[in-house]
Amino acid sequence: DTAVSQTPKYLVTQMGNDKSIKCEQNLGHDTMYWYKQDSKKFLKIMFSYNNKELIINETVPNRFSPKSPDKAHLNLHINSLELGDSAVYFCASTQGAANEKLFFGSGTQLSVL
Amino acid sequence: SQQGEEDPQALSIQEGENATMNCSYKTSINNLQWYRQNSGRGLVHLILIRSNEREKHSGRLRVTLDTSKKSSSLLITASRAADTASYFCATDGTNAGKSTFGDGTTLTVKP
Repeated sequence: DTAVSQTPKYLVTQMGNDKSIKCEQNLGHDTMYWYKQDSKKFLKIMFSYNNKELIINETVPNRFSPKSPDKAHLNLHINSLELGDSAVYFCASTQGAANEKLFFGSGTQLSVL
Repeated sequence: SQQGEEDPQALSIQEGENATMNCSYKTSINNLQWYRQNSGRGLVHLILIRSNEREKHSGRLRVTLDTSKKSSSLLITASRAADTASYFCATDGTNAGKSTFGDGTTLTVKP
């Protein structure tokens, strides 16, 4: 049973396209996150949702739009993809709003050609 | 700028040796966490140490925290080839609900 699952694992697409990454957690956690990891393994938070409400929105281009239909799901839609969007995107979750013990998905490697 | 910085960036040791990684951070924290990331996988939580704690153990892992120096260390004793991974520290800083990650240390344990 995968605790935090995200799909797809790999995503290869052309510049200018729109794509979505889905994330689901079966841990009953209240808070979910999207992180971006670049080629140097630098990991940066993008968004955080607590019980379907956006609580953290870092300086991310508005081409990135997260959506949380319920507290178990947090999807990420990206419009007009650019070369610089190529990275590994990780979904994570944690219990409550406390920032402790993140559970990560296995990542989505996005390659924009 | 990144809250945490780790050193060394890369560490290569023989199986059975101990591995020590260090993390420095810039602002006050409530807790500091260490995570492991195997190649091509997500991060896995290893251990959390709170700002009022100085040392914590979990199996072969020992974490220390020095809030006066704003630094932490992770010691892996009797390393195994399976410990080969990247190790990241993460702090919550002054922003609740947000873990800020260090740059990571890549550990290679040779059999």
